[in-house]
Amino acid sequence: NAGVTQTPKFQVLKTGQSMTLQCAQDMNHEYMSWYRQDPGMGLRLIHYSVGAGITDQGEVPNGYNVSRSTTEDFPLRLLSAAPSQTSVYFCASRRETGTRELFFGSGTQLSVL
Amino acid sequence: QQQVKQSPQSLIVQKGGISIINCAYENTAFDYFPWYQQFPGKGPALLIAIRPDVSEKKEGRFTISFNKSAKQFSLHIMDSQPGDSATYFCAPRSFGNEKLTFGTGTRLTIIP
Repeated sequence: NAGVTQTPKFQVLKTGQSMTLQCAQDMNHEYMSWYRQDPGMGLRLIHYSVGAGITDQGEVPNGYNVSRSTTEDFPLRLLSAAPSQTSVYFCASRRETGTRELFFGSGTQLSVL
Repeated sequence: QQQVKQSPQSLIVQKGGISIINCAYENTAFDYFPWYQQFPGKGPALLIAIRPDVSEKKEGRFTISFNKSAKQFSLHIMDSQPGDSATYFCAPRSFGNEKLTFGTGTRLTIIP
């Protein structure tokens, strides 16, 4: 049971570089989302998707892009990394029915120098 | 906007004691009140949740108390153990609201 898989676990970027954080889930969950976690700020929603082909902005979307071409995958793209994007990123998914419990990946620690 | 206010920010409790974490909210449309637990280097995981038709839910040493009129709910950890040392988040939500808001977290440390 893989659940929610995030790659890479750690990444160091230079300012201005681009990269994609990968997220995949094998639970056939309709809903997927990306959060960033910063000290004292809790978890803040970046983008979310309620199904393939549908995405929407969360609380802190600036500087990030997403797409959802399949139910399983929900990559997060940083087009031009900035030091303010240094954070721990979590992908989470859930069903659209039932308890709607969120299942999280183990996170990606990103440093932008 | 500050929809969810969690307190305290950090908490140190002696082993065997009771840990209490509070979450206050503003949105009266919230209808699901979960607490998530996060260990270092891991993603959060659902610990316990309550719906507003009951005032209390107990699962082992963990209890949620819900006060609808005061718009707050709390997590009580009885007989706290070192293995309970983690960060705890509340994340109340309403049906149909996809923009889930988390509290700022409480770092709980249980000392021997």
